[in-house]
Amino acid sequence: QVQLQESGPGLVKPSQTLSLTCGVSGGFVSSGGYFWSWIRQHPGQGLEWIGYMHYSGRTSYNPSLRSRVTMSVDASKNQFSLILNSVTAADTAVYYCARGSGRYGSYFDCWGQGTLVTVSS
Amino acid sequence: QSALTQPASVSGSPGQSITISCTGTNSDVGGYNYVSWYQQHPGKAPKLIIYEVNNRPSGVSYRFSGSKSGNTASLTISGLQAEDEADYFCSSYTSSSLTVFGGGTKVTVL
Repeated sequence: QVQLQESGPGLVKPSQTLSLTCGVSGGFVSSGGYFWSWIRQHPGQGLEWIGYMHYSGRTSYNPSLRSRVTMSVDASKNQFSLILNSVTAADTAVYYCARGSGRYGSYFDCWGQGTLVTVSS
Repeated sequence: QSALTQPASVSGSPGQSITISCTGTNSDVGGYNYVSWYQQHPGKAPKLIIYEVNNRPSGVSYRFSGSKSGNTASLTISGLQAEDEADYFCSSYTSSSLTVFGGGTKVTVL
């Protein structure tokens, strides 16, 4: 059974870069057909889709974040990553990595436990 | 891209059935059979309970079922149990090749 685990700093200063990694166990990021995704949840609020990267290199990002987001997949380390530039307090949230499945990665059948990232000086 | 519309809260007594709606547009819910539903208990990651409108992943209780009519998808929980008390989120694929979530519904078991 595939398991995902987020890692990265829990505190980031405003205007700096948020960088998170999701380690994959029990499976491989190079497996075809999956869309390696990031989703966040602001405190006490709903879910916000950030985007995905397919192993083929194809990406899709939320238009509201597109100018600040970069995603990558590292098959040698069996992990995928999220970079969010120029963060503000509005980026404070629990960040989840997830595996997107289905024809367009439209559903998320495996989730990491989530990691809280706070943006503060 | 606007969030899908869900009721803020739904409640029911043990053993009853409840239904949560998820309303979108022709560009998302109404245009594709790619609606999914997630259950989230406090402090936990979301869990997939329905995918592609009405499919249950292995291990998910038969008491959860999904459907869709036009631009509105629905999640029904039958035989409501105390453990069903949680937040529920819908999501849909969109015509812009994106994924959008609903705002979430808090289910309370009375």
